[in-house]
Amino acid sequence: EIVLTQSPGTLSLSPGERATLSCRASQSVSNSYLVWYQQKPGQAPRLLIYAASRRATGIPDRFSGSGSGTDFTLTISRLEPEDFAVYFCQQHSSSPQTFGQGTKVEIK
Amino acid sequence: EEQLVESGGGLVQPGGSLRLSCTASGFIFSDHYMDWVRQSSGKGLEWVGRSKDKVNGYTAAYAASVQGRFTISRDESRNSMFLQMNSLKTEDTAIYYCGRRPRGGYWYFDLWGRGTLVTVSS
Repeated sequence: EIVLTQSPGTLSLSPGERATLSCRASQSVSNSYLVWYQQKPGQAPRLLIYAASRRATGIPDRFSGSGSGTDFTLTISRLEPEDFAVYFCQQHSSSPQTFGQGTKVEIK
Repeated sequence: EEQLVESGGGLVQPGGSLRLSCTASGFIFSDHYMDWVRQSSGKGLEWVGRSKDKVNGYTAAYAASVQGRFTISRDESRNSMFLQMNSLKTEDTAIYYCGRRPRGGYWYFDLWGRGTLVTVSS
């Protein structure tokens, strides 16, 4: 199975700063079948990005995804207070689909 | 508003059983593959199993870790999916989420519930 490694484990930033989150796959993720989710404590996870770079419905344009093959990035251009959360990547190009372990974006 | 709500979690002893429910609203439930995903502090997010959409007969499939112990079913009249969990082990302790796949069955989730906590302990 494809192992997804997210880095860093924790990102400490201030509101207004730029956040860059990495998701690295142990094998190539074909068709850019890579998605990103946001999860806040006690809430349902929320789909942010699918197909590596397409924003899901209602997602602000400060969120962007990029990458292909084995290296993918989620960028939050200017952090808003509501963006402090945990972010997961998931690949679905190879069965079984797998998740990364998550990156926590916390207020510095 | 599209929504998924899980229920049925609780404390159960090893070897026991529990039945989780996932109730959908705001969309055509039968048009979508639906999955169960669990989250534990030790293993992160782990896929548990899925039910295909109606045109594919609601066929279920399971992760190897729960095969033979867990069963997924649907009740279309109640817009609900169920996870029957038998022979529970301590390692099944987790928050259990149901997730909706987008039309076409792509294996990611465009809608999640808030989850229900299952604790397996003596």
